[in-house]
Amino acid sequence: RKEVEQDPGPFNVPEGATVAFNCTYSNSASQSFFWYRQDCRKEPKLLMSVYSSGNEDGRFTAQLNRASQYISLLIRDSKLSDSATYLCVVNEEWTGTASKLTFGTGTRLQVTL
Amino acid sequence: NAGVTQTPKFQVLKTGQSMTLQCAQDMNHNSMYWYRQDPGMGLRLIYYSASEGTTDKGEVPNGYNVSRLNKREFSLRLESAAPSQTSVYFCASTWDEDTQYFGPGTRLTVL
Repeated sequence: RKEVEQDPGPFNVPEGATVAFNCTYSNSASQSFFWYRQDCRKEPKLLMSVYSSGNEDGRFTAQLNRASQYISLLIRDSKLSDSATYLCVVNEEWTGTASKLTFGTGTRLQVTL
Repeated sequence: NAGVTQTPKFQVLKTGQSMTLQCAQDMNHNSMYWYRQDPGMGLRLIYYSASEGTTDKGEVPNGYNVSRLNKREFSLRLESAAPSQTSVYFCASTWDEDTQYFGPGTRLTVL
């Protein structure tokens, strides 16, 4: 069983649509959670952290449900520039000196005209 | 600031050849990481270094060695390349427990 699971997609949505991605994680001791964005043939970049209380950054909203061990990302009013792969990332272990992140395989989003 | 830089961007090796991937960061981060990314697998941690002078194995360390030369630089060496090591390699660094900053990647093909 994968430690962090995501639907690979692709999700094809028209511009202006609302789209949601979910992610599940297996390690209940996981400490922190993130969404990273990766454009084609580029490096991953942090999109936003995910907090238990939920957090919003413009058109993006992230939610964490620790009891059910899933994380969600909602994108409202999709733009063509949102087309990318969205990686669900879990910090499963803090060694005291370094974090060890576990990455999902990513969900691909394609926004069309 | 350049952030995290990696060289080379592309490399083709023959089976059995050796090479070193270079990574440097100018953000004064303590922790540095090497990942590989393969289709359908997600990023997997090869090695990491919590601070200058220390290195630890990640999920997939076999076939690789690393060297934390100083606070800025963290290199990854393939002593005898194999086709299974064909991948995209990313270096990352962080100053806190969480947010990691990635380099642009090295695309390696082993024939």
